[in-house]
Amino acid sequence: SQQGEEDPQALSIQEGENATMNCSYKTSINNLQWYRQNSGRGLVHLILIRSNEREKHSGRLRVTLDTSKKSSSLLITASRAADTASYFCATDGTSGTYKYIFGTGTRLKVLA
Amino acid sequence: EAQVTQNPRYLITVTGKKLTVTCSQNMNHEYMSWYRQDPGLGLRQIYYSMNVEVTDKGDVPEGYKVSRKEKRNFPLILESPSPNQTSLYFCASSLGTGSDGYTFGSGTRLTVV
Repeated sequence: SQQGEEDPQALSIQEGENATMNCSYKTSINNLQWYRQNSGRGLVHLILIRSNEREKHSGRLRVTLDTSKKSSSLLITASRAADTASYFCATDGTSGTYKYIFGTGTRLKVLA
Repeated sequence: EAQVTQNPRYLITVTGKKLTVTCSQNMNHEYMSWYRQDPGLGLRQIYYSMNVEVTDKGDVPEGYKVSRKEKRNFPLILESPSPNQTSLYFCASSLGTGSDGYTFGSGTRLTVV
């Protein structure tokens, strides 16, 4: 059962530009998380945003959450070649099992 | 260093030959989970465990077994592997509070021929 769906599937930008990727989900959530995955490696947790939060920042990352639209966006500012990776959103349900469901990801390529 | 350790990193096996992928975490995390990642399908949860001796099925549990006899270990067992279990497998753990992120292992690339 797919909960989060990222958009676009792939994104290619120049170094220094901003990258925005979106996540839409279907059911109510407690939290939404974003992860990064470098090719074939384990996922790395980037940021968690709670359902009662609308925006959160961490370094060059900005995450927004709109629970009325069931969507979130991840903005990476001043992108670098090292940001090249796949980015996934993960959403939980409100059932309290802390079971997160991952989307299929956005592949970001930052060209030097 | 806080980490989730999976072994092996790579494994090629034959259909029907039982295998175990080990997962160990050193963070005293309550929650552990196994995922498989396939092209175009993202990460799908196989099994998860909320605590010692407590395990439950994820979205794709068929053909897999797990056990949680100790808090730090959560092995994934394929009793009779089949080619459709060829995939990239990840173990992950978290405190289990629902407000923290997962720590992932480096992955196990399994090929069943």
